[in-house]
Amino acid sequence: GQNIDQPTEMTATEGAIVQINCTYQTSGFNGLFWYQQHAGEAPTFLSYNVLDGLEEKGRFSSFLSRSKGYSYLLLKELQMKDSASYLCAVRDSNYQLIWGAGTKLIIKP
Amino acid sequence: GAVVSQHPSRVICKSGTSVKIECRSLDFQATTMFWYRQFPKQSLMLMATSNEGSKATYEQGVEKDKFLINHASLTLSTLTVTSAHPEDSSFYICSARDQGEVEQYFGPGTRLTVT
Repeated sequence: GQNIDQPTEMTATEGAIVQINCTYQTSGFNGLFWYQQHAGEAPTFLSYNVLDGLEEKGRFSSFLSRSKGYSYLLLKELQMKDSASYLCAVRDSNYQLIWGAGTKLIIKP
Repeated sequence: GAVVSQHPSRVICKSGTSVKIECRSLDFQATTMFWYRQFPKQSLMLMATSNEGSKATYEQGVEKDKFLINHASLTLSTLTVTSAHPEDSSFYICSARDQGEVEQYFGPGTRLTVT
């Protein structure tokens, strides 16, 4: 079966750095996405990785290792507004998005 | 960036009635639209995928006769929840993708409450 694993909840301090991990087992791979979702709102796109390595975009970076079925989202200089759920999603061989359950990130002052 | 709108944002209806939710791509052509449902504290669950001008493809366990999807134009898809029941109360989100594009753009979601 297809499976995406990410931690249920993480807590970090304002101004610090946090890394959210995602491991996946899917039938085929056509890219990995990270989305941010605030409570009661729809997801917003953060990043897309299809090749191995690190993609940096401002305070957010995303890393992919296809051989390990592993990705992480790195958030630097955390701000209170970063408190949200972070969803990892993998596009499989049928170009369907397989979603993880999301990681709820709690930022404390 | 690409914008997707949904209407209504919130709807309350009585059990047994039908509700229609609209999803529009405002500044691009959405050759493919996706309908998701999300229950509290759970992840997105794909209900169906629709391509403009053709019948929607429903995920396993989703009743096609209950959740009617129409994607009649490149900018509009509708989801009709027929004979709604309280267990259909959920957050319904659409997303849209243009042909050849990587990213899906999400609408703001519709909160459905069935009383």
